[in-house]
Amino acid sequence: GESVGLHLPTLSVQEGDNSIINCAYSNSASDYFIWYKQESGKGPQFIIDIRSNMDKRQGQRVTVLLNKTVKHLSLQIAATQPGDSAVYFCAASSGYSTLTFGKGTMLLVSP
Amino acid sequence: GAVVSQHPSRVICKSGTSVKIECRSLDFQATTMFWYRQFPKQSLMLMATSNEGSKATYEQGVEKDKFLINHASLTLSTLTVTSAHPEDSSFYICSARDEGYSGNTIYFGEGSWLTVV
Repeated sequence: GESVGLHLPTLSVQEGDNSIINCAYSNSASDYFIWYKQESGKGPQFIIDIRSNMDKRQGQRVTVLLNKTVKHLSLQIAATQPGDSAVYFCAASSGYSTLTFGKGTMLLVSP
Repeated sequence: GAVVSQHPSRVICKSGTSVKIECRSLDFQATTMFWYRQFPKQSLMLMATSNEGSKATYEQGVEKDKFLINHASLTLSTLTVTSAHPEDSSFYICSARDEGYSGNTIYFGEGSWLTVV
């Protein structure tokens, strides 16, 4: 089966710093990856996705990097703001299989 | 971006009664929707995959007779928790696959808090 995990359960940063959240996956057939943000008591919110034919994709203040060689992806948040405080999940799938979620990383941003 | 609406956001029901949660894709059609359950400080646990016009596919350990899923249209899936018990109290989240997008983007609803008293 596929497993997706996160290296750090909690990440604390200062406002204005850049944040990096890491994720490892086990299934080399995974070809689609999504990062979600989940605020307390709410459903996950889509942040950014990337397909296996890319190694980098940028959004607004966010960048996802994919390293298929070591089966690792990361989410970089530039100029982190207090509103970025949430739990971040990575998810992976292969083909049209269901998404497999990582355990989540809590990002805490201090003003 | 694509929006998935979930209703109700919070519901309290008495033990032994049934409660229905709706999941709607508002600006796209979804032949596939997913239902998750989430416990505090844990990741999402997939309960079942809802397929429009056919039976849902349940994950191992999920009672299909207790968690009834109906996907009657391309924009609506419902989860009915039958004969609810306090241990069914949880955060239930649905998601829908946007198949108009060239692949597999999945969007989530806001979740529904179920409290069984």
